[in-house]
Amino acid sequence: AQSVTQPDIHITVSEGASLELRCNYSYGATPYLFWYVQSPGQGLQLLLKYFSGDTLVQGIKGFEAEFKRSQSSFNLRKPSVHWSDAAEYFCAVGPYGTASKLTFGTGTRLQVTL
Amino acid sequence: DTGVSQDPRHKITKRGQNVTFRCDPISEHNRLYWYRQTLGQGPEFLTYFQNEAQLEKSRLLSDRFSAERPKGSFSTLEIQRTEQGDSAMYLCASSVDGGWTYEQYFGPGTRLTVT
Repeated sequence: AQSVTQPDIHITVSEGASLELRCNYSYGATPYLFWYVQSPGQGLQLLLKYFSGDTLVQGIKGFEAEFKRSQSSFNLRKPSVHWSDAAEYFCAVGPYGTASKLTFGTGTRLQVTL
Repeated sequence: DTGVSQDPRHKITKRGQNVTFRCDPISEHNRLYWYRQTLGQGPEFLTYFQNEAQLEKSRLLSDRFSAERPKGSFSTLEIQRTEQGDSAMYLCASSVDGGWTYEQYFGPGTRLTVT
């Protein structure tokens, strides 16, 4: 069975500081990996995805993530956080070939201090 | 492209009542998904459709839950004899089968409160 672990429930960073949100997955084959962001009252928005190829993927809003197969990780990074990045971030894994049923982690709430 | 829409956005009901939610996917998206999100948790998969066929159902979807997508366009999720444990945000998403995006576009959700 596929699973996702986001070990950090809540992270606080100062505006302008760098950010790394951790994600570890468990999947029996090559996974499809995703990061979504959810702001209060908003739907989930896809930040980036990994299917194959280059293990460093670029997304929207200046985010990037690196897939490390040996560590079963897909950590999300941003070099300089903006106050508007405050939100809940979810890592998700989907089955290879279809990405139909997504399994999400429990999320990391990001707070940005000015 | 107006995005995925869900109706209603909020629903308060008494225990034991039936409720029905509607989801309108992005036009031409042939896949439609339902997820449930409780407080402090990530979304949990409930079921998904490809066109009008329901291809997979989670064990979370008890006999009190039923989902339909009669014409392969909008979908409804019905909960019969609601229980307090059904209180959650119900999310709908849609995507295009095939291609290389596999991106699920989510709607704003329907928040259900069972009193």
